[in-house]
Amino acid sequence: NAGVMQNPRHLVRRRGQEARLRCSPVKGHSHVYWYRQLPEEGLKFMVYLQKENIIDESGMPKERFSAEFPKEGPSILRIQQVVRGDSAAYFCATRGTKLSGELFFGEGSRLTVL
Amino acid sequence: QQQVKQSPQSLIVQKGGISIINCAYENTAFDYFPWYQQFPGKGPALLIAIRPDVSEKKEGRFTISFNKSAKQFSLHIMDSQPGDSATYFCAANEETSGSRLTFGEGTQLTVNP
Repeated sequence: NAGVMQNPRHLVRRRGQEARLRCSPVKGHSHVYWYRQLPEEGLKFMVYLQKENIIDESGMPKERFSAEFPKEGPSILRIQQVVRGDSAAYFCATRGTKLSGELFFGEGSRLTVL
Repeated sequence: QQQVKQSPQSLIVQKGGISIINCAYENTAFDYFPWYQQFPGKGPALLIAIRPDVSEKKEGRFTISFNKSAKQFSLHIMDSQPGDSATYFCAANEETSGSRLTFGEGTQLTVNP
């Protein structure tokens, strides 16, 4: 998966807790996309960020979810007050500065809400 | 208009057979059509992609056929192998706008030995 690092790989949270998922892009990649995958379902777009800017957040739930990609450090997807329906695999994908080109996916963070 | 519809949902093929997965899209502005392969517990990885200036692209045993007028494209896996057993996703976007990829629902392929 070309160097996209996601952590944690597995995260267990109880209802009401917060989940923080981190994504370190391929070196030199400045575009980050977050996708959610529910069991036996496809990949649903959540948010697209470019360093320090949110470009498209049309797939993000209006409440409890937020994302950032600071100038230094990884991109973070934050889910506050998690509910059971948030249990899913969350994938980060990155690409370089060219508008075209392959998206490289990480191996995902699997969130389980008890 | 952003939807990409994929079929079948699951597919079982014998070793050596041909696997065919189909996708249809609505947005005529889409100009980049990749296929991703995902193994259990792993992230999707790009398998092959096509742009609408050609009607077919072949890489090894994998071929994409593209029909612009019908707004359909398909993945053909020739001489399917048990190691091809995975989930396959088609996707599409307006590549030069940097827009996000819209994915189909996925096809779970099983190749029996």
